[in-house]
Amino acid sequence: DAGVTQSPTHLIKTRGQQVTLRCSPKSGHDTVSWYQQALGQGPQFIFQYYEEEERQRGNFPDRFSGHQFPNYSSELNVNALLLGDSALYLCASSLRSLGATGNTIYFGEGSWLTVV
Amino acid sequence: QQQVKQSPQSLIVQKGGISIINCAYENTAFDYFPWYQQFPGKGPALLIAIRPDVSEKKEGRFTISFNKSAKQFSLHIMDSQPGDSATYFCAALEEHTGKLIFGQGTTLQVKP
Repeated sequence: DAGVTQSPTHLIKTRGQQVTLRCSPKSGHDTVSWYQQALGQGPQFIFQYYEEEERQRGNFPDRFSGHQFPNYSSELNVNALLLGDSALYLCASSLRSLGATGNTIYFGEGSWLTVV
Repeated sequence: QQQVKQSPQSLIVQKGGISIINCAYENTAFDYFPWYQQFPGKGPALLIAIRPDVSEKKEGRFTISFNKSAKQFSLHIMDSQPGDSATYFCAALEEHTGKLIFGQGTTLQVKP
């Protein structure tokens, strides 16, 4: 049973560029959330996708956008990259029908983004 | 606004000792409290989790103690091993959003 898979694992971008990160949720999961983890910090919630729509959003600018596909996989897009966007981007998956208290949220290994 | 406060920031324990990490929260809408273990260069891995209607949960060497009235919960690692050396994050799940709010993390070093 495959867990949460993310790609690419590492990438380097230049300020002002755009980046797309990809995530495949754990088999059987239908909800994908994205988190940003800066060095030495805890993960910060970016947004959550369910049924191909953004359901919840954290305190991140519109430069951060996403998409969920019919197979539940998801993409995170960041436009006009800033140096401060350098971080580990984590994808988390869960099964919405279990509800909040019955749910187990699994994380992928993340995509390390360096903006130079 | 830090909704989940975690302490200590770092912890050094001798092999075989007990590691204790504490967290406090403010939002009463939190209803699920997982702990994650993260090794350098890896994503967070779920260690153990508890619901607020339970005061204690034990899985192997790991125990969560939960005090709902004080809005505090803690992770105890018994018989700590060098392989336990990692960063530990407590988290709280918002009931209606499914959003996890993380603490700042505790870097644990277990000395042989």
